Amino acid sequence: GAVVSQHPSWVICKSGTSVKIECRSLDFQATTMFWYRQFPKQSLMLMATSNEGSKATYEQGVEKDKFLINHASLTLSTLTVTSAHPEDSSFYICSARAVRDSLSYEQYFGPGTRLTVT
Amino acid sequence: LAKTTQPISMDSYEGQEVNITCSHNNIATNDYITWYQQFPSQGPRFIIQGYKTKVTNEVASLFIPADRKSSTLSLPRVSLSDTAVYYCLVGDPPAGTALIFGKGTTLSVSS
Repeated sequence: GAVVSQHPSWVICKSGTSVKIECRSLDFQATTMFWYRQFPKQSLMLMATSNEGSKATYEQGVEKDKFLINHASLTLSTLTVTSAHPEDSSFYICSARAVRDSLSYEQYFGPGTRLTVT
Repeated sequence: LAKTTQPISMDSYEGQEVNITCSHNNIATNDYITWYQQFPSQGPRFIIQGYKTKVTNEVASLFIPADRKSSTLSLPRVSLSDTAVYYCLVGDPPAGTALIFGKGTTLSVSS
């Protein structure tokens, strides 16, 4: 099956610093990737949609200057949390859309990245 | 995107069949119904997807009535390892739009 990886799996950073999270589709090409954020005991919240070679589309309330998304290739999207603050501490999950055939469309999720800002 | 409603939580015992029902009254003609499973500190895992009637794979069955306003995920003979959050999502996968997650159902399986 299709595999999506994320790196790092967890990261601790100091307030004011920036952190980059990578999302890779390992065995398929993904023209579209999605970034979600999940706080404890809550559901996943869509942050942005990332299309290869174009600017990401951010959901309402998500600061595009704070959460920089780059989708430079068909297998890699990155999320950079700039000037991180403790309230940015969360579980960040990416996903990629894979087209298996004309009857089945699946969205595969990465294992997530735990960000802790101290 | 169609809004979904699921029970917040369910309890079961090992070996029992668990049925989780999801309501999606405003489902559109092009929408599919997809279920995901999520364990703590992990990304969601695809379980099953369907458009109408019944779909079965190696881990679950999905029942969709003719009006498609609801669906039921059936997990046969659950085990402790099936304890997780289950999300029902409705959307148009061929369109490539993002999946919007509701609150999900927390299933707790006991021995």
